[in-house]
Amino acid sequence: DVQLVESGGGLAQPGGSLRLSCAASGFTFAHFAMTWVRQAPGKGLEWVSTISGDGDKTFYAGSAKGRFSISRDYSMNTLILQMNNLRAEDTAVYYCARDPRLGWGYFDNWGQGTLVTVS
Amino acid sequence: QSALTQPASVSGSPGQSITVSCTGTYSDVGAFHYVSWYQHRPGKAPKVIIYDVRERPSGVSPRFSGSKSGNTASLTISGLQAEDEADYYCCSYGGTGTLSIFGTGTRVTVL
Repeated sequence: DVQLVESGGGLAQPGGSLRLSCAASGFTFAHFAMTWVRQAPGKGLEWVSTISGDGDKTFYAGSAKGRFSISRDYSMNTLILQMNNLRAEDTAVYYCARDPRLGWGYFDNWGQGTLVTVS
Repeated sequence: QSALTQPASVSGSPGQSITVSCTGTYSDVGAFHYVSWYQHRPGKAPKVIIYDVRERPSGVSPRFSGSKSGNTASLTISGLQAEDEADYYCCSYGGTGTLSIFGTGTRVTVL
């Protein structure tokens, strides 16, 4: 079975940094694009960033561009989101999701999420 | 790019059918046959229930169905059940610079 387990969330100060991880198992990690989606308290889902299966192509929402960096560790089958210069509005639950089509709004498996609080 | 527009809430009685709309533009929902729908219960991982406008993943109840007309996609839940209470989000290709765009979300309540 596909499993995605996020970690790394917690409390950060404005201007600070956090590194989120998503451990993937149950599928060939390099064969799938991966995506981060977040949900701020009381708000809807928001696409954050996507990386291709080979890691060569990365995409960011405007809110993340220039501050967040998505990457993959193939040795550990782990998706990473490095978040710098954090703002209060980055407070959210961050989900990783498997992205079979590299975009197009289709995410077939999701993790349980990790909470990031910027305060 | 703004989120796709959904009604904030939709409700129905057990056994009834309800429809949730998702309105975008000619450059996202209207441009491609790629609209997905996600069911999200509090504290749980979102779950895809419809992809490619009307396709159901294996294991998803046939009570869920999708359609699209122009710039508006729709999710219909037939034979509404208490377990269908959740938030529902549509998602589509977002156009240049935005790989994916979600709808504003709809809270479905079973009366």
